[in-house]
Amino acid sequence: AQTVTQSQPEMSVQEAETVTLSCTYDTSENNYYLFWYKQPPSRQMILVIRQEAYKQQNATENRFSVNFQKAAKSFSLKISDSQLGDTAMYFCAYGSSNTGKLIFGQGTTLQVKP
Amino acid sequence: DAGVIQSPRHEVTEMGQEVTLRCKPISGHDYLFWYRQTMMRGLELLIYFNNNVPIDDSGMPEDRFSAKMPNASFSTLKIQPSEPRDSAVYFCASSSPDSRNTEAFFGQGTRLTVV
Repeated sequence: AQTVTQSQPEMSVQEAETVTLSCTYDTSENNYYLFWYKQPPSRQMILVIRQEAYKQQNATENRFSVNFQKAAKSFSLKISDSQLGDTAMYFCAYGSSNTGKLIFGQGTTLQVKP
Repeated sequence: DAGVIQSPRHEVTEMGQEVTLRCKPISGHDYLFWYRQTMMRGLELLIYFNNNVPIDDSGMPEDRFSAKMPNASFSTLKIQPSEPRDSAVYFCASSSPDSRNTEAFFGQGTRLTVV
């Protein structure tokens, strides 16, 4: 069975600084997707970035980028130039291309300080 | 489309009562997921459906929980009888056949409190 682990329950960063959130996963599948979702206090789940496992190039979306290490089964999220609006809980997720199953890690609460 | 719609947004019930949570997925989506969010366990997958058929219910905590999807536009998650430890936020999400692994869309969640 697949698992997703986020080992940092809480993190904080100063506004305009860079922060990296960690995520590891376990799977025996070859075809899958990885995601980072953001959950602000409003409770809404918002997709931040996605990565196809067959692509070697790391995904980037504006200030958000990932470091995808397939052999190590690691998928970290880097937030550059942190903004107060980035304060939220961040979830790492694994999606199976074979079964459609989508599972999440425990989440990391990020606080951006002014 | 209005997105994934869940009802109610908030539910407070007494221990032992039956609770039914409802979800309307995005039209055309053929995957539907039910999750439970708690501080201790994060976002747990309870069950998911493909084309209205339950594919994996291994995350359902016990027999008190059941889920149905009678048609492509409606699903329910029922807890009977409810217990205080069931208090959590329950999310429904759906994804489409063309982009099932590119994004799952979430409802606003139902905050359940069992007293």
